[in-house]
Amino acid sequence: QSVLTQSPSASGIPGQRVTISCSGSSSNIGSNFVFWYQQLPGTAPKLLIYRNYQRPSGVPDRFSGSKSGTSASLAISGLRSEDEADYYCAAWDDNLSGRVFGGGTKLTVL
Amino acid sequence: EVQLLESGGGLVEPGGSLRLSCAASGFTFSSYAMNWVRQTPGEGLKWVSGISDRGDVTYYADSVKGRFTISRDNSKSTLYLQMNSLRTEDTGLYYCAKEETEVVTTNNFIDYWGQGTLVTVSS
Repeated sequence: QSVLTQSPSASGIPGQRVTISCSGSSSNIGSNFVFWYQQLPGTAPKLLIYRNYQRPSGVPDRFSGSKSGTSASLAISGLRSEDEADYYCAAWDDNLSGRVFGGGTKLTVL
Repeated sequence: EVQLLESGGGLVEPGGSLRLSCAASGFTFSSYAMNWVRQTPGEGLKWVSGISDRGDVTYYADSVKGRFTISRDNSKSTLYLQMNSLRTEDTGLYYCAKEETEVVTTNNFIDYWGQGTLVTVSS
């Protein structure tokens, strides 16, 4: 059971905009930054969004992050087949004094 | 290019021990904190442990405190995880992961991951 809650799956057609949500509590998302990772099949996770909405160099601006209260969202616009992957949110948890992850959302591009 | 190469995984019986290693290259290893993160099909990603750049501050998930020990050798650019009293629930793919700064704290984050080494705890 993950500390951060994500829907197990999401889907969309090419060109569409898809949103993946991440729900937490006051001890994690509510008081700390949120980060997002993309894991393509058979590969290691890759940093996608840091500090709620910032993108590392090389990450397309089709990917955007936001946070409100104890929830966060990752939006992918102009969906492409290569976006098919697992997406994980992460944050620091003050009560656990450690980093916590969501259970992951598997994105399928139809 | 940042490279993190894990090794040391394998099959071990419950109660046994294993030592994981992570050879780092492509960055100044001694300037960054490091982490171990486990992945399983059922649990997803779970942060296991972290260590500061100089190795003087360590962090552990509650589930591994007292059983796992993280350490580093900056002269060899290598990170370690000593795993004792292993349980079946410790099974998973263990990733070595670089922190973006010198410490593991609330608003810092993991920016690079290795490819992982598989640990299986089973009788």
